[in-house]
Amino acid sequence: EVQLVESGGGLVQPGRSLRLSCAASGFTFDDYAMHWVRQAPGKGLEWVSGISWNSGSIGYADSVKGRFTISRDNAKNSLYLQMNSLRAEDMALYYCAKDISHLVGATAFDIWGQGTMVTVSS
Amino acid sequence: DIVMTQTPLSLSVTPGQPASISCKSSQSLLHSDGKTYLYWYLQKPGQSPQLLIYEVSNRFSGVPDRFSGSGSGTDFTLKISRVEAEDVGVYYCMQSIQLYSFGQGTKLEIK
Repeated sequence: EVQLVESGGGLVQPGRSLRLSCAASGFTFDDYAMHWVRQAPGKGLEWVSGISWNSGSIGYADSVKGRFTISRDNAKNSLYLQMNSLRAEDMALYYCAKDISHLVGATAFDIWGQGTMVTVSS
Repeated sequence: DIVMTQTPLSLSVTPGQPASISCKSSQSLLHSDGKTYLYWYLQKPGQSPQLLIYEVSNRFSGVPDRFSGSGSGTDFTLKISRVEAEDVGVYYCMQSIQLYSFGQGTKLEIK
């Protein structure tokens, strides 16, 4: 069964850091690009960041550029999101999503995890 | 950045009746490779989003044929020929010609 399981969310103060993880199983992880997509409470979907199969191509939304860093470890079938300088507007459910391709861009996401909640509050 | 605009933001449909959602992009989604990078997702209550339609009009694996997509350039439509109770949720269009961006979402409820 194809599965993505996020972890690492929680309550964090503004300005602090948090690292999210996504464990993948049921497919050949290093064949596909991977992404983080977030959803603020009661709001719509916002793409956050994506990384190609070999980490050679990485993209970020303008809202997180310079603060967030995406990475992957193909040996561990894992995706990560390092979030620094967190703001109130970063509070959201963060989904890990599998791409239908090995590249970032001109693609879509076919498998989503259940998400991990990040709460930014003092 | 490409802005995706959906209308309506909500609709209430009687089971068995059709439904239609419009999605307009601020720039053409037609790539030089000839493909148009427009997708439709459904997020059912309490669930993660699921892919319905890829590249404007192609149903993803397992998607019922009552769902269809059409359009070109900057104007796109998702149609449900006969709405069923299991179709409730929020529908999103998404473009991926320039990174990725989603529409605001259209909430479908059953009358």
